[in-house]
Amino acid sequence: EPEVTQTPSHQVTQMGQEVILRCVPISNHLYFYWYRQILGQKVEFLVSFYNNEISEKSEIFDDQFSVERPDGSNFTLKIRSTKLEDSAMYFCASVGGVEAFFGQGTRLTVV
Amino acid sequence: AQSVTQLDSQVPVFEEAPVELRCNYSSSVSVYLFWYVQYPNQGLQLLLKYLSGSTLVESINGFEAEFNKSQTSFHLRKPSVHISDTAEYFCAVKVYNQGGKLIFGQGTELSVKP
Repeated sequence: EPEVTQTPSHQVTQMGQEVILRCVPISNHLYFYWYRQILGQKVEFLVSFYNNEISEKSEIFDDQFSVERPDGSNFTLKIRSTKLEDSAMYFCASVGGVEAFFGQGTRLTVV
Repeated sequence: AQSVTQLDSQVPVFEEAPVELRCNYSSSVSVYLFWYVQYPNQGLQLLLKYLSGSTLVESINGFEAEFNKSQTSFHLRKPSVHISDTAEYFCAVKVYNQGGKLIFGQGTELSVKP
């Protein structure tokens, strides 16, 4: 069964550093997403991406965040200058029809 | 705008007992409805979905959910739970739009005790 894969599974970074979270969506899907789950809280939408551009973003997705699909397979989330409050689980998802398929997530810890 | 409310943050239950996890949503337009499950230290897995047709939908592991349009609810039920059902359960909605985002509820932690 096709699946969404995310790397790394865990990332520890110092405050102010840049991080890149990577995702390989399901190959024939067209819509890609990043969601965030702060420990003990609900899953929150960050951004959706279609046809090589952002189609929607939330208030959380400010200028420190960016996404790109550099090579037609990988889908990345970059956080330019991490803050303590960026510590969370980040999930990538892709959609081919209606159902969203999620990756296993990257646990980001900012120290 | 859409919103999802899961009325119970934690539901403790004994093994083999029935369980209901409640979900209500608010939307001015038609939506698809989903339940996702998150086992400890794992990602989100789709448990079941309502897109159209029969209002009662079932999963392969014995869960079912019923879409009630008048009450704007999509409660999840299982007649007899197992220890292995211990997990966080998230209700979510998506607007009738192929690229639309999921809006999640706060989650319900189901804890099944022997």
